[in-house]
Amino acid sequence: QVQLTESGPGLVHPSETLSLTCTVSGFSLTGYSVYWVRQPSGKGLEWMGRMRYNGDTSYNSALKSRLSISRDTSKNQVFLKMNSLQTDDTGTYYCTREGWYWGQGVMVTVSS
Amino acid sequence: DVVLTQTPPTLSATIGQSVSISCRSSQSLLHSNGNTYLNWLLQRPGQPPQLLIYLVSRLESGVPNRFSGSGSGTDFTLKISGVEAEDLGVYYCVQSTHAPYTFGAGTKLELK
Repeated sequence: QVQLTESGPGLVHPSETLSLTCTVSGFSLTGYSVYWVRQPSGKGLEWMGRMRYNGDTSYNSALKSRLSISRDTSKNQVFLKMNSLQTDDTGTYYCTREGWYWGQGVMVTVSS
Repeated sequence: DVVLTQTPPTLSATIGQSVSISCRSSQSLLHSNGNTYLNWLLQRPGQPPQLLIYLVSRLESGVPNRFSGSGSGTDFTLKISGVEAEDLGVYYCVQSTHAPYTFGAGTKLELK
């Protein structure tokens, strides 16, 4: 069955770079797109960007200058890197597959 | 970017009541391939979102048929015909026609 699992540090200091990994199973990254979505605590969902099945990427306009999404198809992993983190980047980060299959999410706190 | 306006922000209902949520888009969600990629998600407390409806009106496998979706172009509606206790949570519309994809702000369904 389709599974997505996010991993990464729970705490990041302000101005540092966030690195997250989405490990998938039950499907191929060359067949389906994977998206990153985040949710500040108690707030709504924000689409961050996507890794398409063909390796192309698209990004949220507001995050584009800080965000990079890449993948390693041999390891079934999609990566998110976002730099210059601030406290309002605190929240839960999800990876989700085309068709809206979701991982459980990873909580990231930005604090000194 | 496409803006999705969801109303109402909060909905109070009794068990068995029928309710509707509106999602209006700032531009048509009709894709050049003829599909309209408007989806509805439910996020229960402490859980990742789950897909309820895709392509405006198609019910995801396993979702009860008291949920239904309708609409076209820029105006869409999710209807719950007879709210049950397990339906409580936050409902989001999300469009995947135009990148970057975007979410509505959410509608919280509460018990009256």
